[in-house]
Amino acid sequence: DAMVIQNPRYQVTQFGKPVTLSCSQTLNHNVMYWYQQKSSQAPKLLFHYYDKDFNNEADTPDNFQSRRPNTSFCFLDIRSPGLGDAAMYLCATSKRTGGTQYFGPGTRLLVL
Amino acid sequence: AQRVTQPEKLLSVFKGAPVELKCNYSYSGSPELFWYVQYSRQRLQLLLRHISRESIKGFTADLNKGETSFHLKKPFAQEEDSAMYYCALLSSGTYKYIFGTGTRLKVLA
Repeated sequence: DAMVIQNPRYQVTQFGKPVTLSCSQTLNHNVMYWYQQKSSQAPKLLFHYYDKDFNNEADTPDNFQSRRPNTSFCFLDIRSPGLGDAAMYLCATSKRTGGTQYFGPGTRLLVL
Repeated sequence: AQRVTQPEKLLSVFKGAPVELKCNYSYSGSPELFWYVQYSRQRLQLLLRHISRESIKGFTADLNKGETSFHLKKPFAQEEDSAMYYCALLSSGTYKYIFGTGTRLKVLA
């Protein structure tokens, strides 16, 4: 089945230690999104790619970076995780901007 | 400011009872609104979108521009409807989704 895959499902890192979360898709969608969702809060868009064009949200901290080496893969890099970055990170794709979003299962990040 | 408000964190109803999950929005243009659902241990997925004017799994939602609302309704709740429901608005300018904080629906036997 075509889908959006996120690895790992759970990630534990140490304060200040760089961490990378990955997302892959078999839908061949043009757009890939990263959301951060903290407990009892709405998913918050961090950034998205339309093909290779990177679109950063104005309030996304510089600590968060992303890479999309090809259509299928997109990575979220957190350069120096703080305790406040502990959250669920959701990857989503859509065929076009504004199209229906297809979500991955999420990666829960814990920062010790 | 663009905003989606879901006033209820938790809504419990008995099986067979009507359900209404509230969603209000703040948006200056012509909004496109959606309901996404997340069942236990599953990923977030689209339930319905207002432009389709369809009924999915017995759920309907009508956009009321006067009241800036997009409430989700079902006449007879089923246990399998228990899930987390998110209302979302698509900004026509930026094509960015803005999600509400979600409402957990529990349908009791």
